[in-house]
Amino acid sequence: DTEVTQTPKHLVMGMTNKKSLKCEQHMGHRAMYWYKQKAKKPPELMFVYSYEKLSINESVPSRFSPECPNSSLLNLHLHALQPEDSALYLCASSQGERSYEQYFGPGTRLTVT
Amino acid sequence: GESVGLHLPTLSVQEGDNSIINCAYSNSASDYFIWYKQESGKGPQFIIDIRSNMDKRQGQRVTVLLNKTVKHLSLQIAATQPGDSAVYFCAENKNYGQNFVFGPGTRLSVLP
Repeated sequence: DTEVTQTPKHLVMGMTNKKSLKCEQHMGHRAMYWYKQKAKKPPELMFVYSYEKLSINESVPSRFSPECPNSSLLNLHLHALQPEDSALYLCASSQGERSYEQYFGPGTRLTVT
Repeated sequence: GESVGLHLPTLSVQEGDNSIINCAYSNSASDYFIWYKQESGKGPQFIIDIRSNMDKRQGQRVTVLLNKTVKHLSLQIAATQPGDSAVYFCAENKNYGQNFVFGPGTRLSVLP
């Protein structure tokens, strides 16, 4: 199984809502990533979890809160988002340190109204 | 030919021709590079990688060239096919860390 799954595929939320994005992989990878991608732009790294510990936070606003409940799951909790946060949110995983082939999921298309 | 649109450069090639996609990277200390392909509605897909101690690496129908002197990376696709139509990103990495920085991307359009 070389697949990273993400749910939901699409999400529309108001600025006062709380929602969560989910990501799952069963490849035994120990590093998991969240990226944000705006239209016609490259992915931008948000967070990296390595061995279930947050290792990189790219100065992301606190309205985005990542969580790694176990080595297969990665969540991104959303609260009080702004319309400019509307984007494609991509999850990726890789084997771990010194193995950098990242497998990406299809993303969650988020629209904040 | 190649054109630079408002946000995303586009390269149009005839089916069967070879494609060359270019990338200028920003950090002279970067020592590992990856090319990704992103089709519409999908996440990026790994194509090929190269480390800074190499200047060329070949895969199936793809070749990556690295010129560290001018901080330039290129992806060559042989006998381009309609299924190669996508946006291609280069990504650079420093010290084999986990922080990859993606280039702006190039849209490849294959003409019948």
